[in-house]
Amino acid sequence: KQEVTQIPAALSVPEGENLVLNCSFTDSAIYNLQWFRQDPGKGLTSLLLIQSSQREQTSGRLNASLDKSSGRSTLYIAASQPGDSATYLCAVRYGGATNKLIFGTGTLLAVQP
Amino acid sequence: SQTIHQWPATLVQPVGSPLSLECTVEGTSNPNLYWYRQAAGRGLQLLFYSVGIGQISSEVPQNLSASRPQDRQFILSSKKLLLSDSGFYLCAWSPRQGARGYTFGSGTRLTVV
Repeated sequence: KQEVTQIPAALSVPEGENLVLNCSFTDSAIYNLQWFRQDPGKGLTSLLLIQSSQREQTSGRLNASLDKSSGRSTLYIAASQPGDSATYLCAVRYGGATNKLIFGTGTLLAVQP
Repeated sequence: SQTIHQWPATLVQPVGSPLSLECTVEGTSNPNLYWYRQAAGRGLQLLFYSVGIGQISSEVPQNLSASRPQDRQFILSSKKLLLSDSGFYLCAWSPRQGARGYTFGSGTRLTVV
């Protein structure tokens, strides 16, 4: 069964800290992996998309890495800000015509000012 | 550019009443379309996906149904709502071909009372 797990489930850090969110998946034959951000009561905003052939992607203060062989991805947030407070979701896409995404349960991040 | 619209944003419906949530995509053609539900304290669950007009696949047995009357329109329906249908419903699209990720709508908060 294809499963995606995220740890920690919740994280609270003071402003300015660098932090790492973890995502692991049971089936390493992925097509790509996508990190999303969800603010309370809102939809999902795509942060980074990593193809299976890539090792990392960067956007501003965010860096996502992918290690297919070990079934892991990390999202690194540099110099965290209170505005980064949200739930972060990792989602894995496997091959096939339907392009279905399998989501992790998320990490709730609180950045304290 | 591609955009996805989902409405209504919030909905309060009595048990036993019908439901119709609509999602439309602009700026692309032949998208794959998806309905997800996010129940309180739980992860995102794929309900339905569609790879073309009139083509609907259901992921979980439930009180809901979906239809795709036009290429870029996806509708989630129920004839009689249950309390357990309460949740946050998200529509998403992905390209039929290529390696682009998912794009989500802003969601509908459904409360069945």
